[in-house]
Amino acid sequence: DTGVSQNPRHKITKRGQNVTFRCDPISEHNRLYWYRQTLGQGPEFLTYFQNEAQLEKSRLLSDRFSAERPKGSFSTLEIQRTEQGDSAMYLCASSPLGVRYNEQFFGPGTRLTVL
Amino acid sequence: DAKTTQPPSMDCAEGRAANLPCNHSTISGNEYVYWYRQIHSQGPQYIIHGLKNNETNEMASLIITEDRKSSTLILPHATLRDTAVYYCIVAPIVIQGAQKLVFGQGTRLTINP
Repeated sequence: DTGVSQNPRHKITKRGQNVTFRCDPISEHNRLYWYRQTLGQGPEFLTYFQNEAQLEKSRLLSDRFSAERPKGSFSTLEIQRTEQGDSAMYLCASSPLGVRYNEQFFGPGTRLTVL
Repeated sequence: DAKTTQPPSMDCAEGRAANLPCNHSTISGNEYVYWYRQIHSQGPQYIIHGLKNNETNEMASLIITEDRKSSTLILPHATLRDTAVYYCIVAPIVIQGAQKLVFGQGTRLTINP
């Protein structure tokens, strides 16, 4: 399967714990996005990487959130000191650079439940 | 906030055409209309996009009004596997940098046998 993969698919944690999610984009896709989706709502943009550079961050990304994309390949999203309000589906998407290629390819998501 | 308005839900019989409307009256000249869908427990999937001409691909057709203030996604022969939430999004084509998709709540389409 050459699509976007995310791990883990599900994560249950206790409030105050740290969690880390991984996204493996489609090979050679320069662009990588993280979105968050709460129940009944559409996904919301969190942050964007172009290769290894984090170029945009949403106001939703508080200082407890950090994302990295070392070497411009896979990406990680870490949430420190989780809160119940962090419970959501975290989606990763990737796309190539270039005018024709604005289609974003989404992974299956990581569902986080904070108890 | 999303720049599009969609009905919250629609039903369609299997085998019939599903026509999903979207209003985007404040669309800018450089913004395209994108459609994505999200099947339960999966990530969104790109369907089609267009600027002002009607577009067709293997999944669907997109009809955009001449004034570009609304559009309709057409699934010509809906199947049970087309049951999903359909999102209409307006966004510019971005050559460099992020194309931040702003999703609304979408239309929950149910295909009935």
